[in-house]
Amino acid sequence: AQKVTQAQTEISVVEKEDVTLDCVYETRDTTYYLFWYKQPPSGELVFLIRRNSFDEQNEISGRYSWNFQKSTSSFNFTITASQVVDSAVYFCALSEAIAVRETSGSRLTFGEGTQLTVNP
Amino acid sequence: KAGVTQTPRYLIKTRGQQVTLSCSPISGHRSVSWYQQTPGQGLQFLFEYFSETQRNKGNFPGRFSGRQFSNSRSEMNVSTLELGDSALYLCASSLDSGGGGIYEQYFGPGTRLTVT
Repeated sequence: AQKVTQAQTEISVVEKEDVTLDCVYETRDTTYYLFWYKQPPSGELVFLIRRNSFDEQNEISGRYSWNFQKSTSSFNFTITASQVVDSAVYFCALSEAIAVRETSGSRLTFGEGTQLTVNP
Repeated sequence: KAGVTQTPRYLIKTRGQQVTLSCSPISGHRSVSWYQQTPGQGLQFLFEYFSETQRNKGNFPGRFSGRQFSNSRSEMNVSTLELGDSALYLCASSLDSGGGGIYEQYFGPGTRLTVT
């Protein structure tokens, strides 16, 4: 069975600090996809990134960067120079290859989420 | 392009009643998924529809059901409501063409269901 663990329940930082959100996953498959979503207080989940298991290149998008390491089954997310608007719950999610084989590719397993609070 | 819309946004029901929630996907998206979010269980997958067919189902009792219409709009129904069904119900759509592969899902604002 697949599992996603976000060990950090809550993180509190001061504006302009860098912060890293950890994500560790478990899967038996060799082909899978990983995602990060942001959930602001309004409740809507906002898509941030998708990464497949064959692409271990790190990715940077503005102040956001992601570090994918298959050797440790981790997909960590770093926010550089955090801002108050970054305050939200962040979810890491996994979709396994069984969905790919069956061409039914929309079943996500989410981690517990990390509540990030950025204080001014 | 308009995002995923869900109606109603808030709902209060009594134990034993039934409820129907509606979701309109992003234009052109044929896959619609439903998730339940609670403080205790987190985000859990309910089911997914593609071209009016249920393709995937999570581990929820038969009281939870859904359907998809020819225009990709989807509804989910919960019968015989229990207090534990109080949750935020999120709908998501994706640009899945049915040819395989995993696509990112775009979520709606959710329907907050309270069962008393």
